[in-house]
Amino acid sequence: DSGVTQTPKHLITATGQRVTLRCSPRSGDLSVYWYQQSLDQGLQFLIQYYNGEERAKGNILERFSAQQFPDLHSELNLSSLELGDSALYFCASSVTGSNQPQHFGDGTRLSIL
Amino acid sequence: QQQVKQSPQSLIVQKGGISIINCAYENTAFDYFPWYQQFPGKGPALLIAIRPDVSEKKEGRFTISFNKSAKQFSLHIMDSQPGDSATYFCAPGYGQNFVFGPGTRLSVLP
Repeated sequence: DSGVTQTPKHLITATGQRVTLRCSPRSGDLSVYWYQQSLDQGLQFLIQYYNGEERAKGNILERFSAQQFPDLHSELNLSSLELGDSALYFCASSVTGSNQPQHFGDGTRLSIL
Repeated sequence: QQQVKQSPQSLIVQKGGISIINCAYENTAFDYFPWYQQFPGKGPALLIAIRPDVSEKKEGRFTISFNKSAKQFSLHIMDSQPGDSATYFCAPGYGQNFVFGPGTRLSVLP
């Protein structure tokens, strides 16, 4: 058990809709990372937060946004969903903001119909 | 500069054999070289990692070998077991900037 909790585990929705994915980091970890995993693109880094502040941004679309709250949980918002957004979305956490993601959650599987 | 390649894409090994997975990178700024293990339905888990000041690190049956001049590092799994069947990702980087390789699917036959 990595200690990182992601909800929901599965999400099915339609094109054009908006969804919110939630992540609670491992206890004591201040940094949260979001990744997208698809069959053709592998694990793609989306965005990182450290103690409530955006620390690094990767290949995140403008339709996507994220934030980290004072209690350190994070939410990833995906809007105007397209078929190509179907993927596994992973959250990871680490103690500091300047090292690799150490603990991954089990992901949210997003299916766009 | 950010491209990371892994080989092979997939690997089948008999129980008790040695599994070897290679990772090649381009960015010479990378200073941390981890391997992650991912089982179906689970997130990746940090398995073993190495810094460039050493050429080899061993943890149990898992060994990382690092070749700085060739910009490559590899994962060796000794005495491979069916429970090692998973997808393995290298993710070299520096600071919080890490690039995941495409993954290698390992199957260990009983």
